Amino acid sequence: KNQVEQSPQSLIILEGKNCTLQCNYTVSPFSNLRWYKQDTGRGPVSLTIMTFSENTKSNGRYTATLDADTKQSSLHITASQLSDSASYICVVSGPDGNNRLAFGKGNQVVVIP
Amino acid sequence: EAGVTQFPSHSVIEKGQTVTLRCDPISGHDNLYWYRRVMGKEIKFLLHFVKESKQDESGMPNNRFLAERTGGTYSTLKVQPAELEDSGVYFCASRLTASGNTIYFGEGSWLTVV
Repeated sequence: KNQVEQSPQSLIILEGKNCTLQCNYTVSPFSNLRWYKQDTGRGPVSLTIMTFSENTKSNGRYTATLDADTKQSSLHITASQLSDSASYICVVSGPDGNNRLAFGKGNQVVVIP
Repeated sequence: EAGVTQFPSHSVIEKGQTVTLRCDPISGHDNLYWYRRVMGKEIKFLLHFVKESKQDESGMPNNRFLAERTGGTYSTLKVQPAELEDSGVYFCASRLTASGNTIYFGEGSWLTVV
């Protein structure tokens, strides 16, 4: 079983609407949690990084939250744009910190006009 | 500043052939990582270099995979002989030790073994 589970697997939203992506992890002890955006055919690009002491972090229209007690994170996209269509990957670091990452399968988001 | 670059971007080879993937990390980044994503699965760690030394290669699938980073600059990942299950996207990533957490990924090398 994967240490990082994401839901929903995929979703379609209308341009301008908001959406929330979920990430549950079992990695323990925990060092930090990242959200990456991966456009089709491209490499992952970092959106946010949070340590266990951080509850929320924003990057433009992207806001990530973290509950280290329940081992859950979410990524909220506000006022979605067509360019937000991508896979959003939750990545968790264990005690080794940055050097061995556990990846979720990603949330595939499609924004339609 | 150039990002992490990978070559080739796409490769189609026959089972039993050899393929060598190359990664040029961001200049000055001591840490270099190889990851792989096979169809329908999550991205998985293969190995980690600090400069020219292999820090952790526990994610390498088997001895058909050989990674090198001579001189501590670019890295190569060789698959010999390639098998069908090796098909996937191979990502390289790098990190500057002093900067901490940010890890930069390349665009990936898409390998198809037929």
